[in-house]
Order: sequence, then C-alpha cells, then structure tokens
Amino acid sequence: DAMVIQNPRYQVTQFGKPVTLSCSQTLNHNVMYWYQQKSSQAPKLLFHYYDKDFNNEADTPDNFQSRRPNTSFCFLDIRSPGLGDAAMYLCATSRDLFGQAVNTEAFFGQGTRLTVV
Amino acid sequence: RKEVEQDPGPFNVPEGATVAFNCTYSNSASQSFFWYRQDCRKEPKLLMSVYSSGNEDGRFTAQLNRASQYISLLIRDSKLSDSATYLCVVNKGEGFQKLVFGTGTRLLVSP
Repeated sequence: DAMVIQNPRYQVTQFGKPVTLSCSQTLNHNVMYWYQQKSSQAPKLLFHYYDKDFNNEADTPDNFQSRRPNTSFCFLDIRSPGLGDAAMYLCATSRDLFGQAVNTEAFFGQGTRLTVV
Repeated sequence: RKEVEQDPGPFNVPEGATVAFNCTYSNSASQSFFWYRQDCRKEPKLLMSVYSSGNEDGRFTAQLNRASQYISLLIRDSKLSDSATYLCVVNKGEGFQKLVFGTGTRLLVSP
C-alpha cells in the first residue's frame, strides 16, 4: 500500500492560475518535504516542514508556498504558475533522526507532473 | 561548484557486465550518503545507504571515501531491469533527511 500519496498524478494549469498540489502520508513521519524536478535535472528541495515548523530554502521563489494543517497532510501552492514551473513535484517524508545512529530512509510519493499552458 | 556531482552518462553496457558509477560531494561535513534509483517518469527510490566501511547488497556494492569526498556504486552482472538513472544523494541535514541530489547517471543495459 502506498505510504506517501500525491494527488493528482498529473495536473494541467493555465499560466498565472493558482494551483495546489497535495500530499498525504500514513507513516506518521514528522518531517515532510517538497522537491521540484525538472526534466533531466536533479530533484531540488523547495522547503520542508519539521513538525509545524516551516523551513524555506533560500533560493525558493516566493511564488511557491506550503501548508501543513496536520501531521498527515502537506500542500504545495503555486500562486502564479509560469511556464518555467512545469516539472515533477515530489513529496517526501522522513522521521526525526536525533538520537538515532543509523541512516533512515526518506519515502517519496509518486509525484505530480505539472504542465503549464 | 555543484554540491553533488555525477557523470550524467549514459552508460551503455551489455547484460552481465560490471559497471561503476562515481560521485563527488563538496560539503565535508555531510554525514550520510545514499544511492537512489529513478525509473523514467517515476519517483526516486532508495537503492542503498552508503557506509564508511563499504556495504554490499546482492549485486550492488557501495563505497565511501570521506577523505576524497567520493562515493561509488558498483553493479555486477547487470540485468536489463537495472536500466534506470542512479542518483547520488547526500544528507546535509542535522537530525533529519535534508537530501541533496546529484543529477544522476543514466544506465542502459542491452541484451
């Protein structure tokens, strides 16, 4: 059973029209991430939530926002999508490593492929 | 300089071949390292963690050289199903997984 679920799998939006991508998890992990992956490029971290604390990467455009209403759900809001925002958006989760000696796994959802027209 | 650098390939090898991928990272304070596999238009999936002592999982062997800031992945007896992009990943977080991905090395295994 899928543990990190992203909806929708494919999203087409109009240039400049706000769009929201969603992610849910059944793992009860306290950390959730949003990555952007453009064609033939590495996934790039946009931001993450550590519990309720939001942490933005320095180079993430203001056009990208996020909400985490509870442990299980996290949303990515793109306020005014541009053509350059077309990409695969990946949600991932992990659990707090503090006090742990071993490497733990980050679990990825299947991604939402965003097309901007 | 990119935080994680990989040769993008593609590496074209016949079935049964042994192939090695290399990766370098820039942050000497990085604590944990991974290889992820990504199939076309799919999400990355953890292939294996990389430990200082080196580790093996079946046909896959990963090595870490902290002094040179270098990570490797060796695949023996390549299968057609090994065709994918292999992402070198470094954790720069403190206490949680703040992953920095390389651009990946594409592997194509042919009959």
